[in-house]
Amino acid sequence: GESVGLHLPTLSVQEGDNSIINCAYSNSASDYFIWYKQESGKGPQFIIDIRSNMDKRQGQRVTVLLNKTVKHLSLQIAATQPGDSAVYFCAEGWGSNRLAFGKGNQVVVIP
Amino acid sequence: DTGVSQNPRHKITKRGQNVTFRCDPISEHNRLYWYRQTLGQGPEFLTYFQNEAQLEKSRLLSDRFSAERPKGSFSTLEIQRTEQGDSAMYLCASSPGQGANQPQHFGDGTRLSIL
Repeated sequence: GESVGLHLPTLSVQEGDNSIINCAYSNSASDYFIWYKQESGKGPQFIIDIRSNMDKRQGQRVTVLLNKTVKHLSLQIAATQPGDSAVYFCAEGWGSNRLAFGKGNQVVVIP
Repeated sequence: DTGVSQNPRHKITKRGQNVTFRCDPISEHNRLYWYRQTLGQGPEFLTYFQNEAQLEKSRLLSDRFSAERPKGSFSTLEIQRTEQGDSAMYLCASSPGQGANQPQHFGDGTRLSIL
């Protein structure tokens, strides 16, 4: 059967407000970080990535912040829209090409 | 649509049967990855190909699992003698071959249910 872990941390945000999703990573050797959005029944969708030689990167309505000192990654979504409702995963990579995913965060946008 | 394509989308089978999934990566992507995802969890890495060469395998990939990418394009993942614990979403991703740290682009997966 399916594994446990159905109760994801959930962020409820009003439409139009900004969202911040946090992620702690474990491997100090990780040099690549990436955020994915996953909607029900679909595969993870690439949002934005950042390499370890940077501490901030901006995309369209999204910003990723990297703090290597405390091994923390965050994703900021500006002017959150109903279509942003999904589960968000951070992932880390190091040397090899595999990605290690963190636990997801559910974002619920309230119209 | 030129994204990663996976077939079938759903597979229901009895315990003990063999199943095979197919992944067609984004064209010109040299790297192809397989992951497994169970409900409420993030994807877990299974294996990775650079062209036709299988370069890395996770300990999760037991001897009942085999993956191939014979011509460096599409890939298949076969599970033999399926068990209840194999029930999961099997995801395929691809990325360009040049340089490290390229974003992996995922398909919508094959959901496997073992009865």
